[in-house]
Amino acid sequence: GENVEQHPSTLSVQEGDSAVIKCTYSDSASNYFPWYKQELGKGSQLIIDIRSNVGEKKDQRIAVTLNKTAKHFSLHITETQPEDSAVYFCAAYSTGGGNKLTFGTGTQLKVEL
Amino acid sequence: EAGVAQSPRYKIIEKRQSVAFWCNPISGHATLYWYQQILGQGPKLLIQFQNNGVVDDSQLPKDRFSAERLKGVDSTLKIQPAKLEDSAVYLCASSPGTGRGQPQHFGDGTRLSIL
Repeated sequence: GENVEQHPSTLSVQEGDSAVIKCTYSDSASNYFPWYKQELGKGSQLIIDIRSNVGEKKDQRIAVTLNKTAKHFSLHITETQPEDSAVYFCAAYSTGGGNKLTFGTGTQLKVEL
Repeated sequence: EAGVAQSPRYKIIEKRQSVAFWCNPISGHATLYWYQQILGQGPKLLIQFQNNGVVDDSQLPKDRFSAERLKGVDSTLKIQPAKLEDSAVYLCASSPGTGRGQPQHFGDGTRLSIL
Protein backbone atom coordinates (compact mmCIF):
# COMPACT_ATOMS: atom_id res chain seq x y z
CA GLY A 1 0.00 0.00 0.00
CA GLU A 2 0.87 3.69 -0.07
CA ASN A 3 3.39 5.11 2.41
CA VAL A 4 3.69 8.86 2.97
CA GLU A 5 6.60 10.40 4.85
CA GLN A 6 6.52 14.00 6.04
CA HIS A 7 9.30 16.30 7.25
CA PRO A 8 10.00 18.12 9.43
CA SER A 9 7.87 17.06 12.38
CA THR A 10 8.21 20.52 13.93
CA LEU A 11 9.03 23.84 12.31
CA SER A 12 9.47 27.20 13.95
CA VAL A 13 9.74 30.39 11.88
CA GLN A 14 9.65 34.10 12.52
CA GLU A 15 6.60 36.03 11.41
CA GLY A 16 7.03 37.11 7.81
CA ASP A 17 9.43 34.30 6.92
CA SER A 18 8.61 31.41 4.61
CA ALA A 19 7.87 27.85 5.70
CA VAL A 20 8.35 24.70 3.64
CA ILE A 21 7.03 21.23 4.48
CA LYS A 22 8.04 18.24 2.39
CA CYS A 23 6.40 14.88 1.76
CA THR A 24 7.38 11.79 -0.18
CA TYR A 25 5.11 8.98 -1.34
CA SER A 26 5.77 5.45 -2.48
CA ASP A 27 2.94 4.51 -4.87
CA SER A 28 3.50 5.82 -8.39
CA ALA A 29 -0.25 5.35 -9.02
CA SER A 30 -1.10 8.16 -6.57
CA ASN A 31 -2.70 11.02 -8.47
CA TYR A 32 -4.12 13.49 -5.95
CA PHE A 33 -2.29 15.27 -3.13
CA PRO A 34 -4.19 17.43 -0.63
CA TRP A 35 -2.80 19.41 2.28
CA TYR A 36 -4.76 19.86 5.49
CA LYS A 37 -4.40 22.33 8.34
CA GLN A 38 -5.43 21.15 11.79
CA GLU A 39 -5.87 23.67 14.55
CA LEU A 40 -6.10 22.65 18.17
CA GLY A 41 -9.44 21.06 18.94
CA LYS A 42 -10.66 21.32 15.38
CA GLY A 43 -10.95 19.03 12.43
CA SER A 44 -8.70 19.12 9.42
CA GLN A 45 -9.29 21.93 6.93
CA LEU A 46 -8.34 21.40 3.30
CA ILE A 47 -6.08 24.32 2.37
CA ILE A 48 -4.78 23.36 -1.05
CA ASP A 49 -4.51 20.32 -3.30
CA ILE A 50 -2.77 19.31 -6.49
CA ARG A 51 -3.36 16.62 -9.09
CA SER A 52 -0.71 14.58 -10.81
CA ASN A 53 -1.08 16.37 -14.15
CA VAL A 54 0.04 19.68 -12.59
CA GLY A 55 3.49 20.61 -11.31
CA GLU A 56 2.62 23.62 -9.20
CA LYS A 57 -0.44 25.35 -7.77
CA LYS A 58 -0.69 28.61 -5.88
CA ASP A 59 -3.39 30.22 -3.76
CA GLN A 60 -2.40 33.58 -2.29
CA ARG A 61 0.36 32.86 0.28
CA ILE A 62 0.18 29.11 -0.12
CA ALA A 63 1.71 27.03 -2.91
CA VAL A 64 2.23 23.35 -3.53
CA THR A 65 4.75 21.75 -5.88
CA LEU A 66 4.78 18.19 -7.16
CA ASN A 67 7.66 16.19 -8.60
CA LYS A 68 6.18 12.94 -9.93
CA THR A 69 9.53 11.53 -10.99
CA ALA A 70 10.99 11.87 -7.51
CA LYS A 71 7.62 11.16 -5.88
CA HIS A 72 7.67 14.13 -3.60
CA PHE A 73 5.53 17.19 -3.04
CA SER A 74 5.94 20.27 -0.89
CA LEU A 75 3.86 22.96 0.79
CA HIS A 76 5.20 26.50 0.73
CA ILE A 77 3.78 29.25 2.94
CA THR A 78 5.11 32.75 2.36
CA GLU A 79 4.85 35.79 4.63
CA THR A 80 3.86 33.62 7.56
CA GLN A 81 1.49 34.99 10.18
CA PRO A 82 0.73 33.84 13.75
CA GLU A 83 -2.60 32.39 12.58
CA ASP A 84 -0.67 30.00 10.33
CA SER A 85 0.45 28.18 13.49
CA ALA A 86 -1.13 24.71 13.35
CA VAL A 87 -0.38 21.10 12.45
CA TYR A 88 -0.20 20.51 8.71
CA PHE A 89 -0.80 17.11 7.11
CA CYS A 90 0.01 16.02 3.60
CA ALA A 91 -1.81 13.12 2.00
CA ALA A 92 -1.68 11.05 -1.15
CA TYR A 93 -4.65 9.47 -2.90
CA SER A 94 -3.79 6.13 -4.42
CA THR A 95 -5.84 4.07 -6.81
CA GLY A 96 -3.62 1.07 -6.29
CA GLY A 97 -4.66 -1.29 -3.49
CA GLY A 98 -7.89 0.58 -2.86
CA ASN A 99 -8.96 4.15 -3.51
CA LYS A 100 -8.03 5.99 -0.36
CA LEU A 101 -6.05 8.81 1.19
CA THR A 102 -2.90 8.02 3.12
CA PHE A 103 -1.73 10.77 5.46
CA GLY A 104 1.70 11.86 6.57
CA THR A 105 2.52 12.14 10.27
CA GLY A 106 2.06 15.89 10.43
CA THR A 107 4.22 19.00 10.90
CA GLN A 108 3.71 21.30 13.88
CA LEU A 109 4.30 24.81 12.52
CA LYS A 110 4.87 27.62 14.99
CA VAL A 111 5.06 31.19 13.77
CA GLU A 112 6.78 33.38 16.34
CA LEU A 113 6.30 37.10 16.70
CA GLU B 1 -22.97 25.27 3.27
CA ALA B 2 -22.99 23.49 6.62
CA GLY B 3 -19.93 21.38 7.32
CA VAL B 4 -19.60 17.86 8.60
CA ALA B 5 -21.25 17.56 12.01
CA GLN B 6 -19.99 15.16 14.66
CA SER B 7 -21.09 14.38 18.20
CA PRO B 8 -20.16 14.13 20.94
CA ARG B 9 -17.02 16.31 20.96
CA TYR B 10 -15.53 14.47 23.91
CA LYS B 11 -16.12 11.11 25.54
CA ILE B 12 -14.48 9.46 28.51
CA ILE B 13 -15.21 5.82 29.27
CA GLU B 14 -13.61 2.93 31.08
CA LYS B 15 -12.08 0.02 29.21
CA ARG B 16 -14.52 -2.71 28.23
CA GLN B 17 -17.38 -0.21 28.03
CA SER B 18 -19.17 0.66 24.81
CA VAL B 19 -19.29 3.97 22.97
CA ALA B 20 -20.94 5.34 19.85
CA PHE B 21 -20.15 8.32 17.67
CA TRP B 22 -22.44 10.08 15.24
CA CYS B 23 -21.70 11.90 12.00
CA ASN B 24 -23.82 13.93 9.60
CA PRO B 25 -22.00 14.63 6.33
CA ILE B 26 -22.30 17.65 4.08
CA SER B 27 -25.64 17.57 2.32
CA GLY B 28 -25.48 15.71 -0.96
CA HIS B 29 -22.13 14.05 -0.29
CA ALA B 30 -22.36 10.40 -1.29
CA THR B 31 -19.15 9.23 0.35
CA LEU B 32 -18.54 9.14 4.07
CA TYR B 33 -15.33 8.19 5.85
CA TRP B 34 -14.41 7.38 9.43
CA TYR B 35 -10.80 7.94 10.48
CA GLN B 36 -8.90 7.24 13.68
CA GLN B 37 -6.20 9.72 14.63
CA ILE B 38 -3.87 8.71 17.42
CA LEU B 39 -1.89 11.50 19.09
CA GLY B 40 1.13 12.46 17.00
CA GLN B 41 -0.02 10.59 13.90
CA GLY B 42 -1.99 11.33 10.78
CA PRO B 43 -5.57 10.14 10.35
CA LYS B 44 -5.95 6.46 9.47
CA LEU B 45 -8.96 5.29 7.47
CA LEU B 46 -11.24 2.88 9.33
CA ILE B 47 -14.16 2.58 6.92
CA GLN B 48 -15.52 4.20 3.78
CA PHE B 49 -19.16 4.25 2.68
CA GLN B 50 -20.54 5.06 -0.74
CA ASN B 51 -24.18 5.94 -0.08
CA ASN B 52 -25.24 3.12 2.28
CA GLY B 53 -22.76 0.52 1.04
CA VAL B 54 -19.30 -0.23 2.44
CA VAL B 55 -16.47 0.46 -0.02
CA ASP B 56 -13.49 -0.28 2.21
CA ASP B 57 -13.39 -1.59 5.77
CA SER B 58 -10.06 -3.40 5.50
CA GLN B 59 -8.55 -1.48 8.45
CA LEU B 60 -11.58 -1.68 10.74
CA PRO B 61 -11.01 -3.97 13.77
CA LYS B 62 -14.22 -5.84 13.18
CA ASP B 63 -14.08 -7.78 16.43
CA ARG B 64 -14.85 -4.58 18.34
CA PHE B 65 -15.65 -1.81 15.86
CA SER B 66 -18.81 -1.51 13.78
CA ALA B 67 -20.26 1.22 11.61
CA GLU B 68 -23.43 1.77 9.69
CA ARG B 69 -24.97 4.26 7.32
CA LEU B 70 -28.42 2.80 6.93
CA LYS B 71 -30.15 5.55 4.93
CA GLY B 72 -27.08 6.75 3.07
CA VAL B 73 -26.89 10.01 5.00
CA ASP B 74 -25.71 10.08 8.63
CA SER B 75 -23.57 7.38 10.16
CA THR B 76 -22.66 5.87 13.52
CA LEU B 77 -19.42 4.26 14.59
CA LYS B 78 -19.45 1.96 17.61
CA ILE B 79 -16.74 0.43 19.74
CA GLN B 80 -17.66 -2.53 21.93
CA PRO B 81 -15.78 -3.31 24.12
CA ALA B 82 -13.27 -0.46 24.23
CA LYS B 83 -9.57 -1.03 24.87
CA LEU B 84 -6.96 1.42 26.16
CA GLU B 85 -5.36 1.64 22.70
CA ASP B 86 -8.64 2.99 21.28
CA SER B 87 -7.92 6.37 22.88
CA ALA B 88 -7.81 8.70 19.88
CA VAL B 89 -9.71 11.32 17.94
CA TYR B 90 -12.34 9.84 15.65
CA LEU B 91 -12.84 11.93 12.56
CA CYS B 92 -15.66 11.80 10.07
CA ALA B 93 -15.22 13.16 6.56
CA SER B 94 -17.36 13.34 3.45
CA SER B 95 -16.87 13.93 -0.25
CA PRO B 96 -19.21 14.21 -3.23
CA GLY B 97 -17.94 10.90 -4.65
CA THR B 98 -14.83 8.74 -4.92
CA GLY B 99 -13.70 9.30 -8.47
CA ARG B 100 -10.12 10.53 -8.98
CA GLY B 101 -9.52 11.65 -5.42
CA GLN B 102 -12.27 14.10 -4.61
CA PRO B 103 -11.64 16.56 -1.78
CA GLN B 104 -12.63 15.26 1.62
CA HIS B 105 -14.10 17.62 4.18
CA PHE B 106 -13.61 16.80 7.85
CA GLY B 107 -15.68 17.34 10.95
CA ASP B 108 -14.15 18.53 14.24
CA GLY B 109 -13.88 14.98 15.56
CA THR B 110 -14.71 13.14 18.76
CA ARG B 111 -11.89 12.87 21.28
CA LEU B 112 -12.17 9.52 23.06
CA SER B 113 -10.31 8.80 26.27
CA ILE B 114 -10.26 5.28 27.71
CA LEU B 115 -9.51 4.97 31.43
